Amino acid sequence: GENVEQHPSTLSVQEGDSAVIKCTYSDSASNYFPWYKQELGKRPQLIIDIRSNVGEKKDQRIAVTLNKTAKHFSLHITETQPEDSAVYFCAATVYSGGGADGLTFGKGTHLIIQP
Amino acid sequence: NAGVTQTPKFRVLKTGQSMTLLCAQDMNHEYMYWYRQDPGMGLRLIHYSVGEGTTAKGEVPDGYNVSRLKKQNFLLGLESAAPSQTSVYFCASSTLAGDPGELFFGEGSRLTVL
Repeated sequence: GENVEQHPSTLSVQEGDSAVIKCTYSDSASNYFPWYKQELGKRPQLIIDIRSNVGEKKDQRIAVTLNKTAKHFSLHITETQPEDSAVYFCAATVYSGGGADGLTFGKGTHLIIQP
Repeated sequence: NAGVTQTPKFRVLKTGQSMTLLCAQDMNHEYMYWYRQDPGMGLRLIHYSVGEGTTAKGEVPDGYNVSRLKKQNFLLGLESAAPSQTSVYFCASSTLAGDPGELFFGEGSRLTVL
């Protein structure tokens, strides 16, 4: 099955600086790579996703890049703000037979924005 | 439109007791999932369903059973709870067949097994 590795487990940056979180995946058949944000005590929520036919996608201060050859993808947050403090999870599809069976998640990155 | 609703939100069990977590969604989604979240372990898939009457095992299915008798409901059962099942359980649903698309999560159910 799919294996998703995520680094770092904790990332502390100064407010206004950029943050980068990296993930690698094992199953070359995966073609959908979402990122979820989970604030303390809340449910995970999708913030951005990318599909394998696209190399980069941006949405205001966040962007995701995908390198299918190397099987890794990254989340970039620019001009970080206090409300960016949360745990971020990357994920990849899992294929079995004729369809996708669900997402495999990385173990998460705790992003801390220092004032 | 409530989205995905989980009940109960908190529960304490003794080892060996049984219980059922209920997940209900009002978005007419085909796919439903149960994940568990443990510190430092991310979200791990327990069981999932691609439609009414169907279920399948995920990454960590042992000790759990599920049923999807109605499209809007997905039940997670623990027949004989163990301390290793202490966790936060999240139900999720999605709509795209063959591609999970965005998962919509419930608020989570915190289970403690003593």
